[in-house]
Amino acid sequence: QSVLTQPPSVSGAPGQRVTISCIGSNSNIGARYDVHWYQQLPGTAPRLLIYDNINRPSGVPARFSGSKSGTSASLAITGLQAEDEADYYCQSYDRSLSDVVFGGGTKLTVL
Amino acid sequence: QEQLVESGGGLVKPGGSLRLSCAASGFSFSTYYMAWIRQAPGKGLETVSYISGSADTIDYAESVKGRFTISRDNAKRSLFLQMNSLRDDDTAVYFCARDWCSSTSCYDLWGRGALVTVSS
Repeated sequence: QSVLTQPPSVSGAPGQRVTISCIGSNSNIGARYDVHWYQQLPGTAPRLLIYDNINRPSGVPARFSGSKSGTSASLAITGLQAEDEADYYCQSYDRSLSDVVFGGGTKLTVL
Repeated sequence: QEQLVESGGGLVKPGGSLRLSCAASGFSFSTYYMAWIRQAPGKGLETVSYISGSADTIDYAESVKGRFTISRDNAKRSLFLQMNSLRDDDTAVYFCARDWCSSTSCYDLWGRGALVTVSS
């Protein structure tokens, strides 16, 4: 059971918009720790997609955006493309565990 | 080009030991916190251990405390993970990663990973 809860799967058709939620608590996201998002394509290492809740590293398309409110965060992907099919993970810090924590991951399927 | 390359993975029996290495290039290695993050087959990500640039701050996941030791050699631009008393549930791909964010840790540079299989 992950400290950060993500839906196991989401899906969408090409061109559509999808969102992935990351639900935490007052000991992590609600404690104002930043949330980061990673994309992991099959058989590859994770790639940093969003950092500090809303920022995109150089090279990440503007189709990807992040938000945070209260004890949860979300990743939105607009203009869905076949190449977006991957696993997505949220990550933050938990002060009760004194540890970096990841969500359980969400598998995005492009229909 | 910034790069991390892991080595040292393999098949080991329960109770055995293995040492992973991570060679860094293309960036100022000594100025970054570094971490080992693992992913069991078909599972999610778990931070195993991290170490500060000067190696004066180190921490481990509860699941590996007392069995794993992280270290670094800044002169050789290398990160290490000594794994002892390995168990079946240590089987995973182990990634070396650079901690890039100044507030809450985030990992912007990853190696391709080293597969560690613990099995009799």
